[in-house]
Order: sequence, then C-alpha cells, then structure tokens
Amino acid sequence: AQSVTQPDIHITVSEGASLELRCNYSYGATPYLFWYVQSPGQGLQLLLKYFSGDTLVQGIKGFEAEFKRSQSSFNLRKPSVHWSDAAEYFCAVGPLSGSARQLTFGSGTQLTVLP
Amino acid sequence: EADIYQTPRYLVIGTGKKITLECSQTMGHDKMYWYQQDPGMELHLIHYSYGVNSTEKGDLSSESTVSRIRTEHFPLTLESARPSHTSQYLCASSAQGARGNTEAFFGQGTRLTVV
Repeated sequence: AQSVTQPDIHITVSEGASLELRCNYSYGATPYLFWYVQSPGQGLQLLLKYFSGDTLVQGIKGFEAEFKRSQSSFNLRKPSVHWSDAAEYFCAVGPLSGSARQLTFGSGTQLTVLP
Repeated sequence: EADIYQTPRYLVIGTGKKITLECSQTMGHDKMYWYQQDPGMELHLIHYSYGVNSTEKGDLSSESTVSRIRTEHFPLTLESARPSHTSQYLCASSAQGARGNTEAFFGQGTRLTVV
C-alpha cells in the first residue's frame, strides 16, 4: 500500500529565510508526486507535480521540489519565504496507472512565517 | 483557476436533518472524489467515481452517500446529520491523462457543523 509521511507537523521560519518541507513516500512502483497548499478555510491548490523526467521540478509561487528515488523523498523548497506563504502544505503520492484511488495524502505541515 | 465549485461554503444544521453538499466541475473530468478533513488533519477519501453511474466508497468509512448522474455533478448526501459528521468536506476531480492520472483539482470545501 502506498503511504506518505510528512515528519514535521509545524515549521516556523522568518520572512526571507529559506524553507524546506520534508516528504517521504512508500510506494511499490514509479510514483506520481504532488505538493498542494491549503490556506485556512480553503481547498487545496496544486504547487507542483512530478511523474518523470528532471528530478528537480519548478512550481508556482517560487517553490521547487526534488525527487530522490534512493531516499524515497520529495522535499519542497523555497529560497526566500514570504508572509503570504503561511499555510498548510500537503504532499501526496499516486499511481501512474488508471485507478480512481489516485492520491494518498500526508498529514500536512503547518507553516508559520514570522515578520 | 480550477473550475470546480462547492456549495454551500459553510453550513450549520441541527441533528437529524438531511443535507446535500453540492459539487460541480466544468472541466469534463471523468473522475471525482470526496474527501473529509478535520481541522489541521490529513485528508481522507470517503467516496470516488470513475464516471457517470459509477461510485465507490473510499478508504474512510462514511455514513454519507453520493450519486453521479451527470459527469459534471457529484453531490454528497447525509440522510440524518449527527455531531460526529462535523468536518470539512472537499470535492475534487481529475482527468485521465495519456500517461496515467493527472492531478486532482479541488473545490474550496464545505465546512459542516452539526449542532
């Protein structure tokens, strides 16, 4: 069965500092990986996705993530955090084949940005 | 912007009432999903659909039911609401890409409170 672990429940960074959010997955085949962001009371917005090719993927809002198969990781990074980045971040994994049960989500990481 | 809409955004209702949460998408996606999310917690898949007249229960047991009579519409119904149903409900949809599933697009959610 596939699973996703986000080891950090809550991270606090200062505005302008760099950010890395960790994500580890367990999946038997080539994964399809996502990062979503959720602002309070809102739905989820896709930041970026990976399913093949270059292991460093660029997303919206200046985020990037690196797929490392050897470490089963897909960590999200941003070089300089803005106050508006404060939100909940979810990593998700899904299969490439055609099952409707496509996404398994991690438990999320809450990001607080200090002024 | 994803074209998937949920109504109502917020609902406070008394115990025993029947409720229907609406979800519509204009992207022509075959696959649709309902997730349940408690505050600050991970998402749990409660229902999904491959297409019209196809519905399946998800990983988390739920007393709700769904229907898929039209591609664009995937309502969720609770016949008799209880306080334990208080949660946020997120609807999502996805297309079947050429190389497998594409990402899921989420609505803004319905926050349900049963008193």
